[in-house]
Amino acid sequence: TQLLEQSPQFLSIQEGENLTVYCNSSSVFSSLQWYRQEPGEGPVLLVTVVTGGEVKKLKRLTFQFGDARKDSSLHITAAQPGDTGLYLCAGGFGNEKLTFGTGTRLTIIP
Amino acid sequence: SQTIHQWPATLVQPVGSPLSLECTVEGTSNPNLYWYRQAAGRGLQLLFYSVGIGQISSEVPQNLSASRPQDRQFILSSKKLLLSDSGFYLCAWSVLPTEAFFGQGTRLTVV
Repeated sequence: TQLLEQSPQFLSIQEGENLTVYCNSSSVFSSLQWYRQEPGEGPVLLVTVVTGGEVKKLKRLTFQFGDARKDSSLHITAAQPGDTGLYLCAGGFGNEKLTFGTGTRLTIIP
Repeated sequence: SQTIHQWPATLVQPVGSPLSLECTVEGTSNPNLYWYRQAAGRGLQLLFYSVGIGQISSEVPQNLSASRPQDRQFILSSKKLLLSDSGFYLCAWSVLPTEAFFGQGTRLTVV
């Protein structure tokens, strides 16, 4: 069973600060996604990375895929209250299913 | 455009009662379909996935079952609910082996 560990599990910071959350595995992914989930709703896809070392930016969010395609990070610059939510990474293995990480609960304090 | 419908949004059921949650996808053909369960504020546990009609793979032994009677319909069932079945259930679809798209979820409370 492929496991995806996310850290930290919980993070609470002030508005305007920067932060990084991590997603790690001992397995190699064919692709990796990041999702954000609001309470009571399904996760919403933010980005997909497929190439080792790839970096993608989505406004203030920067996503990086590790060179060995076993890990990923999400960096948020100048965090805003609207960034609050549960951030989930998910790894694609083969052609059939996704495995989700343990999640990071992010709270941005105004 | 593709859409996914999942219902009901909330459900309160007594222990020992049956369960049927339904999920349908529109706007795509032969999607991969998934059922996940999520504990409060945590990651998603994959319960079942399906790559085609009648093809169901179970990830975790449990009190639940899944069926795919039509290409874009995925059903999660139980004959007798347990208290431990309570949780937030999410249906999702994907065409690529990546990029899952989720329904709004069902909050199930077994009492």
